[in-house]
Amino acid sequence: SQQGEEDPQALSIQEGENATMNCSYKTSINNLQWYRQNSGRGLVHLILIRSNEREKHSGRLRVTLDTSKKSSSLLITASRAADTASYFCATDASGANSKLTFGKGITLSVRP
Amino acid sequence: DTAVSQTPKYLVTQMGNDKSIKCEQNLGHDTMYWYKQDSKKFLKIMFSYNNKELIINETVPNRFSPKSPDKAHLNLHINSLELGDSAVYFCASSHQGARTEAFFGQGTRLTVV
Repeated sequence: SQQGEEDPQALSIQEGENATMNCSYKTSINNLQWYRQNSGRGLVHLILIRSNEREKHSGRLRVTLDTSKKSSSLLITASRAADTASYFCATDASGANSKLTFGKGITLSVRP
Repeated sequence: DTAVSQTPKYLVTQMGNDKSIKCEQNLGHDTMYWYKQDSKKFLKIMFSYNNKELIINETVPNRFSPKSPDKAHLNLHINSLELGDSAVYFCASSHQGARTEAFFGQGTRLTVV
């Protein structure tokens, strides 16, 4: 069954604005990861946050994790047209054979 | 120097045919995967191998048979292709399973006509 659920499903913002994307999941996890997929390309890893971490930063990206609510958010600050892509959260569920389970993804459009 | 490379990038074939997709990683990872992405972009894991051994098989039809000749390669053979097999197939690799980031290939777009 699907583990991660992102929302919104689609997001359209103006260049320079911040984009916030959310992910909820159902079971306990070892870690949660965010990936980006440009149209027609493979997925690119953005950031990994472990279950004992609450926040991580990488450049313009900020990820938070709330294990009590089983949710995570990805914030992209000062968005650029090049950030236009699909974004996926993926979870490594505790106790399971080690595998990443992906959500359905969020389509982000950044208007120049 | 592509980290995870899969071939071919595009594959158009008729129903009933047998086809293979090859994947190689040069990252020294111990875990490799096959994922299927449908037309709605939903990514579903199909298989996972760790050091050439199958560890995950997610209720994939028997027509799909992965083969890992060594740690760096994971190929996918599909028999008797069906229309519903049309999708983008991604190979990926990681170190120590899902504990670390996965690196994805560029995908193989399979179209069954």
